[in-house]
Amino acid sequence: AQTVTQSQPEMSVQEAETVTLSCTYDTSESDYYLFWYKQPPSRQMILVIRQEAYKQQNATENRFSVNFQKAAKSFSLKISDSQLGDAAMYFCAYRSGIQGAQKLVFGQGTRLTINP
Amino acid sequence: GAGVSQSPSNKVTEKGKDVELRCDPISGHTALYWYRQSLGQGLEFLIYFQGNSAPDKSGLPSDRFSAERTGGSVSTLTIQRTQQEDSAVYLCASSFRTGNTEAFFGQGTRLTVV
Repeated sequence: AQTVTQSQPEMSVQEAETVTLSCTYDTSESDYYLFWYKQPPSRQMILVIRQEAYKQQNATENRFSVNFQKAAKSFSLKISDSQLGDAAMYFCAYRSGIQGAQKLVFGQGTRLTINP
Repeated sequence: GAGVSQSPSNKVTEKGKDVELRCDPISGHTALYWYRQSLGQGLEFLIYFQGNSAPDKSGLPSDRFSAERTGGSVSTLTIQRTQQEDSAVYLCASSFRTGNTEAFFGQGTRLTVV
């Protein structure tokens, strides 16, 4: 079974600075997808960024980028120019690429605080 | 609808009572998922629907938990004889298809069993 580990329960960063959230995963599959979700106090999970395992290029979405190291099974999220609105729980998630496999497997989450 | 809608938003129930949680997915989304999020924990997968069938119900923690989906749309998660350990936020998500497609989440139902 696949597992996802986020080793940082809490992180904090000064507004406008850069922060990196760590995520590692364990799988024997070669085809899969990785996601970072944000969960603000409203509880609604919001997709931040996604990465296909077959793509070597790291995904980027505005201030959010990932460092995908397939051999090391590492998928970290970098937030540049942190803003107060970035404060939330962040979850790393894995989905198998096997046809019919649908569930997302989540890590335990990292609570990110932005200091003004 | 515009997004995934869950009701009720909050539910307090007495131990031993049955509860029903409702999820209304985004129109046209064929896949629907239920997750449970206990306090301070990550999201635990419960069950997944493709249309009205449930190819993967491996996460249901006991036979007190059941779910159904009708008309390829609304889903109901039922917890019978609730226990205090059932207290959690129950999240529903839907997606259009498989692979790297985004799963859109509702705001969840916070269930408290007293």
